[in-house]
This record gives sequence, C-alpha cells and structure tokens, in this order.
Amino acid sequence: DVKVTQSSRYLVKRTGEKVFLECVQDMDHENMFWYRQDPGLGLRLIYFSYDVKMKEKGDIPEGYSVSREKKERFSLILESASTNQTSMYLCASSPPEQGDTEAFFGQGTRLTVV
Amino acid sequence: GQNIDQPTEMTATEGAIVQINCTYQTSGFNGLFWYQQHAGEAPTFLSYNVLDGLEEKGRFSSFLSRSKGYSYLLLKELQMKDSASYLCAVRDSNYQLIWGAGTKLIIKP
Repeated sequence: DVKVTQSSRYLVKRTGEKVFLECVQDMDHENMFWYRQDPGLGLRLIYFSYDVKMKEKGDIPEGYSVSREKKERFSLILESASTNQTSMYLCASSPPEQGDTEAFFGQGTRLTVV
Repeated sequence: GQNIDQPTEMTATEGAIVQINCTYQTSGFNGLFWYQQHAGEAPTFLSYNVLDGLEEKGRFSSFLSRSKGYSYLLLKELQMKDSASYLCAVRDSNYQLIWGAGTKLIIKP
C-alpha cells in the first residue's frame, strides 16, 4: 500500500517559532510537493522538488523554505511562524512520468500559530 | 491569470445522481484530475481526463470538453459515504497542477 506520511496531524506553535513539517514517502517518487489548504481556496503550492537537493518555488513561497536531502523525505520549514500561516499543510508525491500519473497525499498537518 | 471554478456546495439525496461542474482557464492544458477529500483526510485520486469525452469508473464518471474549458464529475447511486469535497485540478503547460477550491457534497437520506 503506497504511503505518504506526515510527521504530525496537529501542531500548535507560537508566533516567531521555527517550525519543521516532515514528509516521508515510500514509493521511490522523484516529485514531492508542499501545499497549504485554506477554506474557500484551492490547494496552493508552496514549494516542490523534482530530485534530491533540488527545490523550486511554487505560488506562495514567502515565509517558507524546504529541504530535500534524501529522495524519500521533503521537509517544509517556517522560518518564523506567523498567525497567517495557520492552515492545513499537505505533502504529496508523484512519479516523474506525465500522463495520468496521480499525486499521492499525506494525511495533512493542521498547524495553528498563536 | 489561471482560474478553476467549482460550486462551493451541493446537496443531493441518497440513491440519486449528482453532477459537479468545473470550468477552467489555464495557460495550457495537460490533463484534468478529480480528487475526493473526506473531512480531515487527504485527497484521493478519482479520475483523469486528457481527451474530450467521458471516462467511466463504476459509479463515477468524468467528462471533458477542452474547447469549452469544462469538465464534470457524475456520481450515480449516491451513498452516504460519498459525502465529501470534490476537487478539480488542471495540469497546465508547465505541468503544474492548478486546483479549484473544491465542492462540498452533502448527501441526505
């Protein structure tokens, strides 16, 4: 059974804290993504990676950074958490082929910044 | 800009049929996806369309018209477990997925 695992389901952090969200996939996928999901908005891409040590900015990278030291792990870092980063964060992975290759999602991390 | 439009919420009756529409304006087109997301859970893949026409998968079907920038997801013989949000996403010319806000489907007995 394919799996994308995010380290936490729920997190509460204080404003200004550095926050690490971890994502691990066991499907040997090259592509990994971090999204945030807010009510009334679609999934918004924060960062993505097509290979180890490679990263690309998505649509809303400000306030975030990422790390991909190993193929299976893609970490999202909030350098200094702010209340407007309270959201559901979803990690996804997919194989490199195009066509009908689907993205597989982790269960999500609901982050609250107080 | 790029845009995906879906109704915010729909209500249907158990056993009935419901059609969820999705219209899109994107820079290029390399396929359209439908995902299902139950409350508090991860989105899961339902269907993929890249050519015009209807793709059928059991109780679920998805239709695409590229010239109209339009797709729909058709759910037949609705069950209570179909209560979920349904997300439409288009892969653009850069092979990035552009997501709609999702349609919350409420099934009533």
